[in-house]
This record gives sequence, C-alpha cells and structure tokens, in this order.
Amino acid sequence: DVKVTQSSRYLVKRTGEKVFLECVQDMDHENMFWYRQDPGLGLRLIYFSYDVKMKEKGDIPEGYSVSREKKERFSLILESASTNQTSMYLCASSISGPSYEQYFGPGTRLTVT
Amino acid sequence: EDKVVQSPLSLVVHEGDTVTLNCSYEVTNFRSLLWYKQEKKAPTFLFMLTSSGIEKKSGRLSSILDKKELFSILNITATQTGDSAVYLCAVQEYGNKLVFGAGTILRVKS
Repeated sequence: DVKVTQSSRYLVKRTGEKVFLECVQDMDHENMFWYRQDPGLGLRLIYFSYDVKMKEKGDIPEGYSVSREKKERFSLILESASTNQTSMYLCASSISGPSYEQYFGPGTRLTVT
Repeated sequence: EDKVVQSPLSLVVHEGDTVTLNCSYEVTNFRSLLWYKQEKKAPTFLFMLTSSGIEKKSGRLSSILDKKELFSILNITATQTGDSAVYLCAVQEYGNKLVFGAGTILRVKS
C-alpha cells in the first residue's frame, strides 16, 4: 500500500513566521504535489515536482516555495506566513506516466493568527 | 482557463436512495478523469476514466465518461450513512497535473 505522510495534522503559527510542511512517500514515486483546499474552491495546486531538485509552479504559487532534496520527501515552505494562508494543505504523490492516480496524505490544517 | 465544475454543491438523502453526482469540464489537454472520496482526511481514489461510454463499477458505485459532451457522472445506489463524504472530480492533463472541481458534499441520513 502506498503511504503518504505529512509531518503535522494541525499547526498554529503567527503572522510573519516561516513555516515548513513536510511530506514523505514510501513508494518511490517520481511525482509529488502540494495542494491547498478551501471550502467552495476545491483543491488548488501550489507546486509540483517531477524529480529530485526539480520543481514547477502550479496555479497558486505566490507566497510559497518548495524543496525536493530527496526523492521521497517534498517540503512546502511559507517564507512569511499570512492569515490568508490559513487552509488545509494536502500532499500527494504518483507514478510518472500517462494516467496514474495521485495518492494523498492526511493533510495539515494550518491556522495563521 | 481550464475548469472543472461539479454539481450539486451539496445534497442530503436518506439511506437507500440513489444519487447522481455530476462533473463537467473544460480542459485543454485531457488525459483522464478521476473521482475521489474524501471523509475527514485524505482523499481516496475511486475511479479513473479515460474512454467514453465505458462504465466503471465498484460495488454500489459506478461512473461513466462522455468525452463528446465533456462530462462524467458518479452514481451511488442504495446509499448508506458511510457514503457521507465530499466527492471530488478531477481532470488529469498532460504532465500528470490534476485540475479539481469544488466537490459535492453528500450527507446520507439514517
């Protein structure tokens, strides 16, 4: 079974803090993704990565950066957290190829006060 | 701009009812359409559809894709309280990116 884990289920941070969200997958997947999920908006793609040290912007990358130093780990960084980044953050991974489903982690609910 | 629209946004049914959830899309480089179920945690994969007119079935759930009219439906028969969840539709573009709809919130009352 594919397992995608995220470092925290719940996180509370103050405005201006630097925030790290970690994601680890154990199935040697090439692709990894970071989404945020907000009511009425569904999941929106922040960044994704096809390989180690490779990253591409998704639909809403502003205010975020990512790091992928190892194949199994994909980190999302909020350089200076703001209240509008309060959200549920979901990490996913998939095999590279024409049509493969993405496997999701349990999510991190981040609150920025 | 690529978009995926799900309807209804929410619905409440009684156990035993049959429900149909809708997903329409406008995506430039379509590869496949996926359905996920999300309870209070990670979305779990239900179906992937790539060809028109071929029904995918798993127990009481089934789904079909119409690539000409650009939509898919997810049917759930004989609903149970355990079917209560958010159902997400996503379209996979070239390069493995997924574009998600806003989701349909289903509540099944006993």
